[in-house]
Amino acid sequence: GESVGLHLPTLSVQEGDNSIINCAYSNSASDYFIWYKQESGKGPQFIIDIRSNMDKRQGQRVTVLLNKTVKHLSLQIAATQPGDSAVYFCAENGPGAGYALNFGKGTSLLVTP
Amino acid sequence: SQTIHQWPATLVQPVGSPLSLECTVEGTSNPNLYWYRQAAGRGLQLLFYSVGIGQISSEVPQNLSASRPQDRQFILSSKKLLLSDSGFYLCAWRWTGGNTEAFFGQGTRLTVV
Repeated sequence: GESVGLHLPTLSVQEGDNSIINCAYSNSASDYFIWYKQESGKGPQFIIDIRSNMDKRQGQRVTVLLNKTVKHLSLQIAATQPGDSAVYFCAENGPGAGYALNFGKGTSLLVTP
Repeated sequence: SQTIHQWPATLVQPVGSPLSLECTVEGTSNPNLYWYRQAAGRGLQLLFYSVGIGQISSEVPQNLSASRPQDRQFILSSKKLLLSDSGFYLCAWRWTGGNTEAFFGQGTRLTVV
């Protein structure tokens, strides 16, 4: 079936370095993608989104890149900080009428001093 | 502004007991509502969604049910809990249309013993 998945389950980076988290999706008709950050014991928090008519979108210290040719999504975090340590999920619109989001398995980002 | 409230935050229930988790949204009308479950170290699995009062769609067969008695109230229930119902339950809402983020509650950690 169609799904959203992540390449790396864990990622360890040093404080101050840039982080890149990758995501593959299989539904070529997907038109909207979101990155979420989830801290332990909390609900996911929105980071940034991108529509399929865009290749790149920037926020504060974060950039999302969309490559529709290879169905790949990435989240770049600049100057990673200890507070960035969390699990990151990519998500896409599901096929149902309720526009539920389909989530990947997540990447755990650990920022070391 | 919109807010979402989910309670309780934690719950320990014996096998065979009933369950009722409640979620309410404030500051918007006619939202799409969702219940997700998250197993430890895993992604989010969609359980139910609702596009209107009394309208419930189930994504996976299970021991749970959902109801939407009011526009901004979403309830997750079970008549008899199983050990496998343990997990982190998340309620979310989204504007209709499917091109905006979903907003999540803080989650309920359910442990069935």
